Amino acid sequence: KNQVEQSPQSLIILEGKNCTLQCNYTVSPFSNLRWYKQDTGRGPVSLTIMTFSENTKSNGRYTATLDADTKQSSLHITASQLSDSASYICVVSDRGSTLGRLYFGRGTQLTVWP
Amino acid sequence: EADIYQTPRYLVIGTGKKITLECSQTMGHDKMYWYQQDPGMELHLIHYSYGVNSTEKGDLSSESTVSRIRTEHFPLTLESARPSHTSQYLCASSNSGLEIYEQYFGPGTRLTVT
Repeated sequence: KNQVEQSPQSLIILEGKNCTLQCNYTVSPFSNLRWYKQDTGRGPVSLTIMTFSENTKSNGRYTATLDADTKQSSLHITASQLSDSASYICVVSDRGSTLGRLYFGRGTQLTVWP
Repeated sequence: EADIYQTPRYLVIGTGKKITLECSQTMGHDKMYWYQQDPGMELHLIHYSYGVNSTEKGDLSSESTVSRIRTEHFPLTLESARPSHTSQYLCASSNSGLEIYEQYFGPGTRLTVT
């Protein structure tokens, strides 16, 4: 069964600190992995997309890593800001269907305190 | 910021009423999607469309229906709303013809059926 599991479920950090969010997946055949940021009451916004051959990708203070062998990914946030408070969702796309179906994790709810 | 719009943003309605959630995009994307999301849970695909006059049901069974008469417009209709339909509904769109495509999400409609 294709699944995406994220940990921790929730996380509280102080402004300026770093944090790392984890994602494990069982989606096969694998096409790509994405990290989205979803602010409360808004739609998800893409942060990074990585294919099988990429093991790291950065977008400003966000750095995603991918280990396709162990089917694990992480999202590292550097020097957190209050605006980073949001849900971070790991999404994996499969290969082999015209739709390129997306499998969503439940997200990690990050709260940044001043 | 993606050019995809949803109205209304919030809707509180009584049981048995017919409702239509609107979704429009100005990016000329062929593919459009409807997702349902409950608090703290993953997004579930309920409908998608490859283009005009194409609609398909997604992974999660839904009593809603959709139509795609124009490329830019993908409304979702509930003929008789029930409390079990209370949820957040997210619309998305993407380009076709690409293996790795970006899905752009609208801001969502928060539906409450009393």
